[in-house]
Amino acid sequence: GESVGLHLPTLSVQEGDNSIINCAYSNSASDYFIWYKQESGKGPQFIIDIRSNMDKRQGQRVTVLLNKTVKHLSLQIAATQPGDSAVYFCAESGTSGTYKYIFGTGTRLKVLA
Amino acid sequence: NAGVMQNPRHLVRRRGQEARLRCSPMKGHSHVYWYRQLPEEGLKFMVYLQKENIIDESGMPKERFSAEFPKEGPSILRIQQVVRGDSAAYFCASSPSGSQEQFFGPGTRLTVL
Repeated sequence: GESVGLHLPTLSVQEGDNSIINCAYSNSASDYFIWYKQESGKGPQFIIDIRSNMDKRQGQRVTVLLNKTVKHLSLQIAATQPGDSAVYFCAESGTSGTYKYIFGTGTRLKVLA
Repeated sequence: NAGVMQNPRHLVRRRGQEARLRCSPMKGHSHVYWYRQLPEEGLKFMVYLQKENIIDESGMPKERFSAEFPKEGPSILRIQQVVRGDSAAYFCASSPSGSQEQFFGPGTRLTVL
């Protein structure tokens, strides 16, 4: 289930189940969205991206869905594995022409064996 | 092709000292971004530089912080007269010209005693 921890919301998922991580973005003018995975003590690792002219994009075991109407982004991970345990951040870009990223607050994914 | 490199990986400073964080972008990348991350939070944009130019420094404190990306050599984020509140992980990302994709380094963890 999903719960709110001290700082980061945490999603606990049984190994082999599918995970869905949600993100609300702030700027309707953003045109590029990215999901990153961050393991403890490491930098963000690119997972998948999507442009605003699409509403769905699939990668290997991951799918990103974009709903521009409600400014919502989701990351679906199929057959979640222990190695998927990490903090996941969404980021938006495209405002002001500087390409800077605005990151969401993050969700901690815990995969239960 | 080596990824984005940052050094040092860990830096300890006493209050009032200076901290210098270095970032070598990926080969062929002329754009560098610096982000700061506090524990259990998302990354916050600080500054965006191209070779020899600061493009957007809207996220960088006006005092004590400065950044450069010289024609030759790494990008430097400099924090003068550090305070305990500067303790954080500082990440650098690089991108090729005209691209919104950013590739992140492993970060420098600054601890101010």
